[in-house]
Amino acid sequence: DSGVTQTPKHLITATGQRVTLRCSPRSGDLSVYWYQQSLDQGLQFLIQYYNGEERAKGNILERFSAQQFPDLHSELNLSSLELGDSALYFCASSVDGGVKDTGELFFGEGSRLTVL
Amino acid sequence: AQTVTQSQPEMSVQEAETVTLSCTYDTSESNYYLFWYKQPPSRQMILVIRQEAYKQQNATENRFSVNFQKAAKSFSLKISDSQLGDTAMYFCAFGQDAGNMLTFGGGTRLMVKP
Repeated sequence: DSGVTQTPKHLITATGQRVTLRCSPRSGDLSVYWYQQSLDQGLQFLIQYYNGEERAKGNILERFSAQQFPDLHSELNLSSLELGDSALYFCASSVDGGVKDTGELFFGEGSRLTVL
Repeated sequence: AQTVTQSQPEMSVQEAETVTLSCTYDTSESNYYLFWYKQPPSRQMILVIRQEAYKQQNATENRFSVNFQKAAKSFSLKISDSQLGDTAMYFCAFGQDAGNMLTFGGGTRLMVKP
């Protein structure tokens, strides 16, 4: 158990709909990262938040948005869904600085989104 | 931008034998982190081993070891005494600094055969 919690684990929806994926980082971690993994592909970085502020942005579509709340949990919003958005969406967190920071990301179990 | 390349989409090995997975990366930085993550059929991403670029000694974790060639920008993973539970996708990842995102390679699917 990595300590990172993602909900829901599975989600099936239709094209054109909107969904929200939720992530709770490990206790004490300030950074949250979102990654997308399409079928049998590598992980594509979407966005990173640090203590409520956006820190880095990857190849995130304009139809997607994210935020990190004061309690440090994060949500990834996906709108106007298309068939190609079907994927496994991972959230990860990290320590961020200090002697305990090994650079490692701790991953949740992912949210599998199926768009029909 | 950093890139990570895994040139072996699929590999197989007999149980108890040794296998090496390849990874190359591209960066202009001198200090960074490298990782191997394992993704079993459960889809959970599990850290296997990590290496800091300033350390010359290759990292080792039980049956897993790396061959880090900084000048060649190569970071291969060796799995000794392969076990059926090692069957998984293996991803090589590059991290510029602690607290920053990781760039992942495309993965190598490893099958351990009995």
